[in-house]
Amino acid sequence: EPEVTQTPSHQVTQMGQEVILRCVPISNHLYFYWYRQILGQKVEFLVSFYNNEISEKSEIFDDQFSVERPDGSNFTLKIRSTKLEDSAMYFCASSEWGREPQHFGDGTRLSIL
Amino acid sequence: RKEVEQDPGPFNVPEGATVAFNCTYSNSASQSFFWYRQDCRKEPKLLMSVYSSGNEDGRFTAQLNRASQYISLLIRDSKLSDSATYLCVVNTNTGGFKTIFGAGTRLFVKA
Repeated sequence: EPEVTQTPSHQVTQMGQEVILRCVPISNHLYFYWYRQILGQKVEFLVSFYNNEISEKSEIFDDQFSVERPDGSNFTLKIRSTKLEDSAMYFCASSEWGREPQHFGDGTRLSIL
Repeated sequence: RKEVEQDPGPFNVPEGATVAFNCTYSNSASQSFFWYRQDCRKEPKLLMSVYSSGNEDGRFTAQLNRASQYISLLIRDSKLSDSATYLCVVNTNTGGFKTIFGAGTRLFVKA
């Protein structure tokens, strides 16, 4: 069964540094998403992406965040100047269409020191 | 009012019990609805989509009431392996697609 893959599984970064989280969505899917989950809290929507542009974003997704699809397979989330509160699990997901169920990668645990 | 609200839980039930999860959503324009399960420190996994006509998958039954903005999940004959957090998920097209997760309801099934 095709799956969403994310790398790295764990990223440790100093506060203020830039970090790039990578995802390879399922190949025939057209919609891509990023979520974060702070330990012990709910899954929070960050951004959806379709047709090479942001479709929707939440209030969490401020100027320090950006997303990109640099080639035909990867989908990346960049955090420009990390803060301690960015420590969380980041999940990538993809779906065939916007209304369809999303399939999640197994996440990248980001730890900011 | 929260965008997606679930029973806070946790639910502690014996094996074989029937357990019901409830969820309400605030945006009447929401278009698609799902139940996911999440095991500790793992990714959410799709359990089932939810339709107004109701749908069933083995021991699991989901129902949507658009008029009341209410979604339910029923698990019959619960197993130890059903222990997880159950997440109500609502998808809304506000020009772009935005997906809101409920906080989840933790289920513990005991032998």
